[in-house]
Amino acid sequence: SAVISQKPSRDICQRGTSLTIQCQVDSQVTMMFWYRQQPGQSLTLIATANQGSEATYESGFVIDKFPISRPNLTFSTLTVSNMSPEDSSIYLCSTRQGDTEAFFGQGTRLTVV
Amino acid sequence: GENVEQHPSTLSVQEGDSAVIKCTYSDSASNYFPWYKQELGKGPQLIIDIRSNVGEKKDQRIAVTLNKTAKHFSLHITETQPEDSAVYFCAASLSGAGSYQLTFGKGTKLSVIP
Repeated sequence: SAVISQKPSRDICQRGTSLTIQCQVDSQVTMMFWYRQQPGQSLTLIATANQGSEATYESGFVIDKFPISRPNLTFSTLTVSNMSPEDSSIYLCSTRQGDTEAFFGQGTRLTVV
Repeated sequence: GENVEQHPSTLSVQEGDSAVIKCTYSDSASNYFPWYKQELGKGPQLIIDIRSNVGEKKDQRIAVTLNKTAKHFSLHITETQPEDSAVYFCAASLSGAGSYQLTFGKGTKLSVIP
């Protein structure tokens, strides 16, 4: 199993600013995933982050807007850059080792005003 | 890529009744199907999963069935309780070596009325 500590749990930010979300895993994991969950919607994968290489972004998401760091096997950050109200969402990090269950952080509820 | 459809989007049941949520998937290569429960302000948590070599799996009041031919799977909750109220997501992925991403359905908001 894996326990993921994600912070901040929520934030209210001004448009045009950036927010960095951090996730710490209690064990070493190969891949981490970052999801966006818009209000009342499902989880949409933003990118997959593998330690030691560039993150792989899904269609519709770009590195300039959502830069990701993965400095070691237990930590990752997602930055939401130059925010607009449309970026208001819940952001979740996750990990999964092979075909085991996926574990999620508690999420970051972001409101952009 | 994989596409997962989930129905219904909302479901209200009386306490003690059963609840059924259904999902279909598009990629016949998918062979791992988990169900997640998400309570308000929390991340999703796995409640049950099934792999393609099994047709049904049960864990106390929760069961999942899988029909690989029809590419659909269902979550069954019996004797529902107020604490079952949450959003439930189905998902599908490949299984095996390496870490594979999950494709989620749109979720079902279950309300259990006392």
